[in-house]
Amino acid sequence: KAGVTQTPRYLIKTRGQQVTLSCSPISGHRSVSWYQQTPGQGLQFLFEYFSETQRNKGNFPGRFSGRQFSNSRSEMNVSTLELGDSALYLCASSAGGEPRGQYFGPGTRLTVT
Amino acid sequence: AQRVTQPEKLLSVFKGAPVELKCNYSYSGSPELFWYVQYSRQRLQLLLRHISRESIKGFTADLNKGETSFHLKKPFAQEEDSAMYYCALSGQTSGSRLTFGEGTQLTVNP
Repeated sequence: KAGVTQTPRYLIKTRGQQVTLSCSPISGHRSVSWYQQTPGQGLQFLFEYFSETQRNKGNFPGRFSGRQFSNSRSEMNVSTLELGDSALYLCASSAGGEPRGQYFGPGTRLTVT
Repeated sequence: AQRVTQPEKLLSVFKGAPVELKCNYSYSGSPELFWYVQYSRQRLQLLLRHISRESIKGFTADLNKGETSFHLKKPFAQEEDSAMYYCALSGQTSGSRLTFGEGTQLTVNP
């Protein structure tokens, strides 16, 4: 099976802009979770989508949003970008939404200038 | 609230020496604990989980509920074990949500 893929891999945006990141889970997986990784805060959970519904949400401002499509592909959107949003954004997929078999993508490196 | 602490940011050992990466957690219920590893230029991958009581690449980890710890151990470290290791916790009602520790960078010297 192909692994989790994320596009784009690298992105440079200007403060105030918005950005959309995409994640394609492993075929057959219905759960997609998003994480933000920064040197200062480490890996922090953003949200989880399961069968097109947001099932869990981390402690991030409303500027961070996401959605999942019927084919389980997921997108996350960040509006009004701030310098502090610069990070590696990881997505992970699992079959049934349980953490035991979470598979991570390579991440999207977002730089906000 | 759930929290995972890895007290060592950096750990350096020599090849063939035993290695122990520490992980402590706080959670009021019965958590699931995991170790993830990230080798240089590779994606984050699951190493092992406490519920399976397995040994992967010679690594083991035992959940100690009394001490709220889940330390990762290997009796004889190899150079290819050099990587970033993350301890993670999932709560009973967390679904897929993982709470990660800060990570420990392990370097195994020849």
